[in-house]
Amino acid sequence: AQSVTQPDIHITVSEGASLELRCNYSYGATPYLFWYVQSPGQGLQLLLKYFSGDTLVQGIKGFEAEFKRSQSSFNLRKPSVHWSDAAEYFCAVSAAQGAQKLVFGQGTRLTINP
Amino acid sequence: DTAVSQTPKYLVTQMGNDKSIKCEQNLGHDTMYWYKQDSKKFLKIMFSYNNKELIINETVPNRFSPKSPDKAHLNLHINSLELGDSAVYFCASSHRQGPETQYFGPGTRLLVL
Repeated sequence: AQSVTQPDIHITVSEGASLELRCNYSYGATPYLFWYVQSPGQGLQLLLKYFSGDTLVQGIKGFEAEFKRSQSSFNLRKPSVHWSDAAEYFCAVSAAQGAQKLVFGQGTRLTINP
Repeated sequence: DTAVSQTPKYLVTQMGNDKSIKCEQNLGHDTMYWYKQDSKKFLKIMFSYNNKELIINETVPNRFSPKSPDKAHLNLHINSLELGDSAVYFCASSHRQGPETQYFGPGTRLLVL
């Protein structure tokens, strides 16, 4: 069964600083990996996804993530955060075959200091 | 032109009542989902339908019954509501089964008193 761990429950960074949110997954086969963002009181918006190919994927709002199979990781990065990036970030994995369900991590809450 | 919409946005009700949440998608997708987000923000799938056929049922109590009248709609009916049902319920859709991007609705915040 798939599982996802986001080790950091809450991260605070200053506006303009770089950001890295960690995500580790457990899955026996090739995973399909996603990062979603949830702003307060809102639904989830897809930031980026990895299915295959280049292990460095670019997403919306200046985010990128790198798939590292050897480390079972899919960390999210942004070189310079903006106050509007304050939100909850979820990493998710789904199986490559069969009925699809997203298995989510616990989420990381990002706070931005002015 | 909201892609995935849910009604109502907020639902406050008493224990023991029966309530329904509606979901509609205008993306032409074949597959729809219900997820539950608990008070700790943990998201877990409940159901998935593909072309009106149930394909995922994740050990959800029988009090929860999804209904898909057509591909564009997936409603969630909950009988005999309990305090523990208080959560945010998200509907989502994807183009088809398989490793597809899922598009989420804005959520329905259910509070059972």
